[in-house]
Amino acid sequence: DAKTTQPPSMDCAEGRAANLPCNHSTISGNEYVYWYRQIHSQGPQYIIHGLKNNETNEMASLIITEDRKSSTLILPHATLRDTAVYYCIARNGSRLTFGEGTQLTVNP
Amino acid sequence: DAGVTQSPTHLIKTRGQQVTLRCSPISGHKSVSWYQQVLGQGPQFIFQYYEKEERGRGNFPDRFSARQFPNYSSELNVNALLLGDSALYLCASSLVRGGTGYTFGSGTRLTVV
Repeated sequence: DAKTTQPPSMDCAEGRAANLPCNHSTISGNEYVYWYRQIHSQGPQYIIHGLKNNETNEMASLIITEDRKSSTLILPHATLRDTAVYYCIARNGSRLTFGEGTQLTVNP
Repeated sequence: DAGVTQSPTHLIKTRGQQVTLRCSPISGHKSVSWYQQVLGQGPQFIFQYYEKEERGRGNFPDRFSARQFPNYSSELNVNALLLGDSALYLCASSLVRGGTGYTFGSGTRLTVV
């Protein structure tokens, strides 16, 4: 799986959009971009994934650049419960290769 | 519906001992994967089992072994425990091998003293 790079930490005000960036410049054509998050002391939770097109579900939106070298996870209206570590993964096979992720802190 | 269940939730063992961790996947899920998460780091892949056969193995020593049972539940065994084996051990299940969304359990916190 391609290596991904994320900022170690970010802050966001409650109710505002949280935009979490991820670089995956060596991603190959058949690797999907996956996002998981992990709230303290719990297992990682699947958020969203995509290959080329932008994706949206009830939790978040995923914007993938045209060259697929980077992506952004958008939480449209962050709440305090969105405080977590967010992992961006470029996945090819059946295993998930986690990096260190971004600690998102949503402030009141 | 029950999610992925892991037992025990917490465990304290002494160096040199052996430990068995258990995982029950979501009903109908046939693939189970194990991950180790050391404090402050992301989870690291240990094993994947699908249809009771090992389908992938991460960079872990032979002290780590696992198996999957006919009901698709799984056990992770670690022999000759080291202090460095202290971690959160996570189990994830999916419908099929390489399925789009893995569902993780809350993990077993193992402390080796």
